[in-house]
Amino acid sequence: ETGVTQTPRHLVMGMTNKKSLKCEQHLGHNAMYWYKQSAKKPLELMFVYSLEERVENNSVPSRFSPECPNSSHLFLHLHTLQPEDSALYLCASSGDRAGGHEQFFGPGTRLTVL
Amino acid sequence: TQLLEQSPQFLSIQEGENLTVYCNSSSVFSSLQWYRQEPGEGPVLLVTVVTGGEVKKLKRLTFQFGDARKDSSLHITAAQTGDTGLYLCAGARITSYDKVIFGPGTSLSVIP
Repeated sequence: ETGVTQTPRHLVMGMTNKKSLKCEQHLGHNAMYWYKQSAKKPLELMFVYSLEERVENNSVPSRFSPECPNSSHLFLHLHTLQPEDSALYLCASSGDRAGGHEQFFGPGTRLTVL
Repeated sequence: TQLLEQSPQFLSIQEGENLTVYCNSSSVFSSLQWYRQEPGEGPVLLVTVVTGGEVKKLKRLTFQFGDARKDSSLHITAAQTGDTGLYLCAGARITSYDKVIFGPGTSLSVIP
């Protein structure tokens, strides 16, 4: 595997379900990100982890819970979501905090909340 | 108000035509990236510009960073159907580490 991978690619869940999104980067990067992309809205930064420490939490509701067990893996745990949480969830990684902020994205998880 | 604005929001052109899309802000950025995103996929980095006035070329794509590092343009020569996608600009703010701000994107459709 190369680059940034995300699983699952598609997820349909009810409002009472608990699910997790997984992201893995094979680039040796130090920072990982979760973004939300909704129709007709810019990419919204949700969380940033740098060297496994959360450095940004962009006022995201507590029904979204990130986890970064090591620099290669990032999870987004979901529970009691709302229909307006339906979106494309993108994971990204970058090499170095001082290095120009170029980000490498995974293919995303298309989430539908019923 | 958005920190980064992009124009036009939508663009539909014939194959072979030239086009320019713009990315504007009132903020100064330490660097600016352009990405292209195809439906159902994540954005793919095209280029990073760092120096005010910098021009970079990537085959038929020409990227320019404004002298004041507040704006950028992307010019495509002789567009092809494979250029279809959402073009996103993203700026890294000088005063904020590890945070890249994305514009809303320009959706380009190249018709054969």
